[in-house]
Amino acid sequence: DVKVTQSSRYLVKRTGEKVFLECVQDMDHENMFWYRQDPGLGLRLIYFSYDVKMKEKGDIPEGYSVSREKKERFSLILESASTNQTSMYLCASSPLLRGLNTEAFFGQGTRLTVV
Amino acid sequence: AQSVTQLDSQVPVFEEAPVELRCNYSSSVSVYLFWYVQYPNQGLQLLLKYLSGSTLVKGINGFEAEFNKSQTSFHLRKPSVHISDTAEYFCAVTRGGFKTIFGAGTRLFVKA
Repeated sequence: DVKVTQSSRYLVKRTGEKVFLECVQDMDHENMFWYRQDPGLGLRLIYFSYDVKMKEKGDIPEGYSVSREKKERFSLILESASTNQTSMYLCASSPLLRGLNTEAFFGQGTRLTVV
Repeated sequence: AQSVTQLDSQVPVFEEAPVELRCNYSSSVSVYLFWYVQYPNQGLQLLLKYLSGSTLVKGINGFEAEFNKSQTSFHLRKPSVHISDTAEYFCAVTRGGFKTIFGAGTRLFVKA
């Protein structure tokens, strides 16, 4: 059974803390993604990676960074957490077909609360 | 810029009634199209996808969708819904590059 695993389901952090969200996939997919999900806004892309050590900014990268040292692992880092980063964070991976993303496989999500 | 519009934010429907969730996208070139479902406090899972071929696509749980290129639509349908179909549904489009764009979601409420 294919899997994308996020390290935490729920996290509570203090303002100003450095926060690490980890994601691992076991499908050997090239592409990995981090989204945040907020009510009424759908999923917004924060960063994605198409290869080890390669990353691209998504639509809302400010306040975030990422790391992909191994193909199976993609980490999202909040350099200094703020209350407006309270959200649901979703990791996904996707294989390519004819150079395009096909279906995305999602983790269970991490609900982060910054207090 | 590419966009995906889900025309209804909430759809209430009675059990065993038919339902249609609407999705329009903006693109003049070939795309891949997807519908995902999200149950409370879970990640998204794929319902169905259109990559090429037949424009009528069947997915899991009795859902189907029709790709209409001239109207740039990809509406999701089910002839008879169950209480367990209550969830949020997302339409998504991939066109070029590695980005997939998601709609804002439609909450389906199935009432007894």
